[in-house]
Amino acid sequence: QITLKESGPTLVKPTQTLTLTCTFSGFSLSTSGVGVGWIRQPPGKALEWLAVIYWHGSEYYSPSLKSRLTITKDTSKNQVVLTMTNMDPVDTATYYCAHRRVELGLDYWGQGTLVTVSS
Amino acid sequence: DIQMTQSPSTLSASVGDRVTITCRASQSISSWLAWYQQKPGKAPKLLISKASNLESGVPSRFSGSESETEFTLTISSLQPDDFATYYCQQYNTYPWTFGQGTKVEI
Repeated sequence: QITLKESGPTLVKPTQTLTLTCTFSGFSLSTSGVGVGWIRQPPGKALEWLAVIYWHGSEYYSPSLKSRLTITKDTSKNQVVLTMTNMDPVDTATYYCAHRRVELGLDYWGQGTLVTVSS
Repeated sequence: DIQMTQSPSTLSASVGDRVTITCRASQSISSWLAWYQQKPGKAPKLLISKASNLESGVPSRFSGSESETEFTLTISSLQPDDFATYYCQQYNTYPWTFGQGTKVEI
């Protein structure tokens, strides 16, 4: 059974760096074809893809946020970490991590974590 | 970036209705399109991958089709559990992009 869970601060101040951890079970990020992505959703708005990392280490980022994002994996801990620098109130959103296999969509999602950016 | 234009943004329907949601890509994405269902306060749920491949456990009343750059999600007979917001997503090219969503309401 595949599960994912996001963890991190619920409140950050403007200009601070956000660090979110996705802890997963039921699969290995060293298995061929597997990736973990991050997606966010501002309150009442649509989904926005942020980044993805794959079993072989390749990373892809949203171009509009690329300068602020870093995604890393720790295969031994079954974790993927997303850092976002220079947070702004417009970054207030629910942040999700999700599993995918190549050729499929995002088939397993975490419950999401709401991050509010406010002074 | 590939733009995904989803329509309608809101759809009012009744139980038993046949419902169609459309997603148009700004350029070719082959068949690399997914459909998700999201209920309030919950994470999205993958319904369909590769334009028409139904995920395991998803009711057969859901189906997906494609015609060049236009993709369609059809619910053949709307059930009470289907009232939700639906999103399309292309994963042919980075950055992945989502449609703006279609809220299916009573």
